Amino acid sequence: ETGVTQSPTHLIKTRGQQVTLRCSSQSGHNTVSWYQQALGQGPQFIFQYYREEENGRGNFPPRFSGLQFPNYSSELNVNALELDDSALYLCASSLELAGGLDTQYFGPGTRLTVL
Amino acid sequence: TQLLEQSPQFLSIQEGENLTVYCNSSSVFSSLQWYRQEPGEGPVLLVTVVTGGEVKKLKRLTFQFGDARKDSSLHITAAQPGDTGLYLCAGISGTYKYIFGTGTRLKVLA
Repeated sequence: ETGVTQSPTHLIKTRGQQVTLRCSSQSGHNTVSWYQQALGQGPQFIFQYYREEENGRGNFPPRFSGLQFPNYSSELNVNALELDDSALYLCASSLELAGGLDTQYFGPGTRLTVL
Repeated sequence: TQLLEQSPQFLSIQEGENLTVYCNSSSVFSSLQWYRQEPGEGPVLLVTVVTGGEVKKLKRLTFQFGDARKDSSLHITAAQPGDTGLYLCAGISGTYKYIFGTGTRLKVLA
C-alpha cells in the first residue's frame, strides 16, 4: 500500500504567476482534501473532492481551483499568485464511507514561495 | 467563523516532565482529532474523540474531549525527546469540514 505523495517538494514563483501542485492519493482512497499551512500556523481547509466532484470548500477565493482525476489523483491550481500564498500546501486522502468517519492520510506537502 | 485556539503556543521541557496542551473553541464539534506533525512531513493522526467527556489513552498520551464537545486536552506523561513536534487539534464539523487549531510546538530536551 503506497502512501500519499505530492509534487513538487519545493517551488518558487513570482507574484502574478500560476502554479499547479499535484497529489497522488493512497491506494483505494476516493476523497482528497487540500490544505494551506502558513508558517507557524495550523492547516486551513481549501476544498475537498469526492469522486471527481468538489464536495466542500473553505474560505479561499476562486483563483484556488482543483481537479480530481478518475484514478483519484488530484491537482491544486492557484492563479494570479500573491505574496501571502507562500505556504506549505498539504493534500490528504481518505476513504469516504456511508455514515463512516474516515481517517485522513496527509502527504508531505509542497512548499510554495512567492517572490 | 469557527476557530480552535491552542495553548500554549510553544513549550520547551526536560525529558521526564509532564505536560498538558489545551484546545478550545466557542463552537461545538461532532468529533475532534489530535495530530502530530514533524518537520518536512504532513500531520499524522494520533486519536479521534467523538463523545463528550470521552477519555482515550495512547501509551503515555491521554486525550480528553470536553463534556460540551467544545474543547479538548492532550496530556503527556514522562515526555521523551521523540515526542518533539507540532501538535494540532482539529474539530470536525459536518462530513468534510476540518477546522485545525493554531498548533502547539513542543520541544523535549534530553
